[in-house]
Amino acid sequence: DARVTQTPRHKVTEMGQEVTMRCQPILGHNTVFWYRQTMMQGLELLAYFRNRAPLDDSGMPKDRFSAEMPDATLATLKIQPSEPRDSAVYFCASGLSDRTRGLELFFGEGSRLTVL
Amino acid sequence: DAKTTQPNSMESNEEEPVHLPCNHSTISGTDYIHWYRQLPSQGPEYVIHGLTSNVNNRMASLAIAEDRKSSTLILHRATLRDAAVYYCILREHYGGSQGNLIFGKGTKLSVKP
Repeated sequence: DARVTQTPRHKVTEMGQEVTMRCQPILGHNTVFWYRQTMMQGLELLAYFRNRAPLDDSGMPKDRFSAEMPDATLATLKIQPSEPRDSAVYFCASGLSDRTRGLELFFGEGSRLTVL
Repeated sequence: DAKTTQPNSMESNEEEPVHLPCNHSTISGTDYIHWYRQLPSQGPEYVIHGLTSNVNNRMASLAIAEDRKSSTLILHRATLRDAAVYYCILREHYGGSQGNLIFGKGTKLSVKP
C-alpha cells in the first residue's frame, strides 16, 4: 500500500535545539500539507504546497518555523530554536489536486515532538 | 474560509445508522464539502466529499441539502471501529491559497456495543 512516511515518529529535545521533521509523500501526489495537533488547539494548518510551491504558510510562526520541498519526494519542517510550546504531534499529508475533483488527503502517522 | 458548525459529540449504538450533521450556511458555489475522521491515536483519514449531489462510497454516504447550506454524513451501520472525531470541512475547488483544508473541532462519535 502506498503511504505517507514521516520521520522521526518520536522526538524528545531540549529547548533551543533545532528540530527537523521529514515527510515522504505518496509518489505522484502534487499536494503536501503540514498540520500540528495539540489537545488545546486541535489540528492547525501550518503549510500547504502544490507542485512543490508554497501556497499558504500563514499558520506557521515565521520566526522559528520553515517548511520546504527540496524535491517531489521530500518535504521538511524545521523548527529553530524549538520551544516547549512547540510540543505537539505534527502530521504530513499528501494528495492529488486537480480541477475535476475534491481533495482526498492521505495522512502520515505523525511525528510526536516533546520539547523540554 | 467558509466555516462549518458541528455538534461537539454524538452517541450511537452498534449496528445502527448514524447521521452526523454539518451546517455551512456561508458556503460558496465553488466550495466542496469534505468529511474526514480521526480514530484515536491516528492521523485523520478521508471519508467522502461532494459538491452538489449526494455521494456514496464504501465507507459512508453524504447527503447535501438542496441549498447546500447543510449536509449529513451517514454511516449505515455503525461499528465500534467507527468511534472517532468526524470533521466537516469546506474547500474552495482548486483555488490558490483558498484550496487548503482547515479542520475545525469536529464531532466526537461514541459507539456503544
